[in-house]
Amino acid sequence: NAGVTQTPKFRILKIGQSMTLQCAQDMNHNYMYWYRQDPGMGLKLIYYSVGAGITDKGEVPNGYNVSRSTTEDFPLRLELAAPSQTSVYFCASSPGHLGYEQYFGPGTRLTVT
Amino acid sequence: GESVGLHLPTLSVQEGDNSIINCAYSNSASDYFIWYKQESGKGPQFIIDIRSNMDKRQGQRVTVLLNKTVKHLSLQIAATQPGDSAVYFCAERQGGKLIFGQGTELSVKP
Repeated sequence: NAGVTQTPKFRILKIGQSMTLQCAQDMNHNYMYWYRQDPGMGLKLIYYSVGAGITDKGEVPNGYNVSRSTTEDFPLRLELAAPSQTSVYFCASSPGHLGYEQYFGPGTRLTVT
Repeated sequence: GESVGLHLPTLSVQEGDNSIINCAYSNSASDYFIWYKQESGKGPQFIIDIRSNMDKRQGQRVTVLLNKTVKHLSLQIAATQPGDSAVYFCAERQGGKLIFGQGTELSVKP
């Protein structure tokens, strides 16, 4: 199993540009999450999904959108990139909601200038 | 507001010594806690978890202690090895979400 994969690993965006961060898992987990991690800080939840077709906002959803058309994929969309979105983004999946181990991807380092 | 925080941002230990990483939480209603390890350039990796109805849980070389009276969580690593060098995060389940602490960087000297 590849586990949780994320692409790209690095990206530099100009202010106002858009991009999609890809996340895929091959563990057949229903639950998937997107976090951002700012330097020296803990993870903050952006969005999560409890299954295909169902998504919900986390702690810091503004400026982002998600979709979940399949169990495997959970892309994160930035429509109008802002410098405040410079961060490292982690996708995670788990077999159950919270109370279960979350498996994290390797992260995408995004810089917006 | 409610938050999870760590007492020490950095910890340096000698190889072979035991390490103790601390975490304070402020929401007495939190019912589940997790420790994660994050190596440089990688995603967090689950280490061990504990539910609020327990005060101690042991894994391989790691022990988590929960003191609900003072809202304190600790991670003990026995016989610390160079491969244990990483940032360690605690997280608490609060209101249907996981709230992560800032992290403590553990540095192991050979």
